[in-house]
This record gives sequence, C-alpha cells and structure tokens, in this order.
Amino acid sequence: LAKTTQPISMDSYEGQEVNITCSHNNIATNDYITWYQQFPSQGPRFIIQGYKTKVTNEVASLFIPADRKSSTLSLPRVSLSDTAVYYCLVGDANTGFQKLVFGTGTRLLVSP
Amino acid sequence: DGGITQSPKYLFRKEGQNVTLSCEQNLNHDAMYWYRQDPGQGLRLIYYSQIVNDFQKGDIAEGYSVSREKKESFPLTVTSAQKNPTAFYLCASSEGETQYFGPGTRLLVL
Repeated sequence: LAKTTQPISMDSYEGQEVNITCSHNNIATNDYITWYQQFPSQGPRFIIQGYKTKVTNEVASLFIPADRKSSTLSLPRVSLSDTAVYYCLVGDANTGFQKLVFGTGTRLLVSP
Repeated sequence: DGGITQSPKYLFRKEGQNVTLSCEQNLNHDAMYWYRQDPGQGLRLIYYSQIVNDFQKGDIAEGYSVSREKKESFPLTVTSAQKNPTAFYLCASSEGETQYFGPGTRLLVL
C-alpha cells in the first residue's frame, strides 16, 4: 500500500490560493492519486483525481511531477466554505477501494 | 436523485445491545463499504462487499457484522462485542476510480 504524508493543518485567508502537498514515495505504476474533501459530520466528497502531469476541474487543480512521488492540490481563491479536511489517497481503484487508506488528512482553516 | 442514504442520522445504543445501521444506494454500484471515523482521525475500513452475497473483513471488523442480500443495501450491525462503538459511521459505494459516500450515522452509547 502506498503510504501518504500530508501536513496536519494549514491556515489561509479568503481569496488566497492554497496548495496542499502530499508525499507518496512508494507509489506503484497502476496507482492513481485522488483527493477528497470532508466537512464536519459529513461523508468525504471526491474533489479530483489524476495519474500524471496536471488535471483541472471546476473546483481544483492537481499537479503531479514526472516521478509521481508527490502531488499538490491547488485550490484557487479559497472562501470560508473551503474550511474542511482534505485527504490524499493513492491506489489502484481497479483492485478495489478496500486497499485505499484514509490518513488523518490536512485540516484547512480559511479565515476572513 | 441518485445517491447513498444512511439512517438514522443519530443512533443511541444501550450497553449490551445490538444496533443496525442502514445504508442504501441507487447508483447501481456493485461495491459497497463501511468505515468508522473517530474524532480527529481518518477513516478506517470495517467491512466491504464487491458483489451481492459476498463481503470481506476490513481492518477493524471485530464486533461488527454485515449482510449483502441486495445490490442496493449493505446494513451494518454493531454487536455487543464492540466495546467502544461511539464513532461516526460512513457507508460508501464505488464505480471505477471514484468512491461515493453517504451522509453518515453518529452512534452514541448511553
């Protein structure tokens, strides 16, 4: 199982760009990188997923360097409602999500 | 409206009592999962099922039981053998590379 390491917490202000980096040194060839967002007392919500280079959707961007040993979730112009815990997961979902591990995530606090 | 529903939102258990948490999905997904989340912690896998009538233990299955008689339903029973059941329980289903979560059930012990 690919182990991931993320900062425990981050602070930001409204309107700023936030970048959360996840380290996954032993990522396997078939592994994808997926980020989830979780608000208190709610289930995690899928944000973005990628395999290599850059992926962008309406919510975030995901930057993955060539060696794939890390990835960076970028949230443009955060608002107060982006305060949440963000999880980075690495794995081959084709073999089943039971192999994916949710760590403690990164707790992002956005202030006015 | 497609999605995953969990009920109840809050559940109280008396000591020695078994309680069952409901999870229903209308996404037509084969795979379903149960996780437990303790305060300030990540999710830990209790049980998972990749197909009807089949399920496997996850990392912390002791004190829990499940059934998968229908594709859309995956109920979790917290038995009296689970000595520390107070937690937030999340059900999920998956298709392809994405996992979808329900709103969760918070279980409290009286």
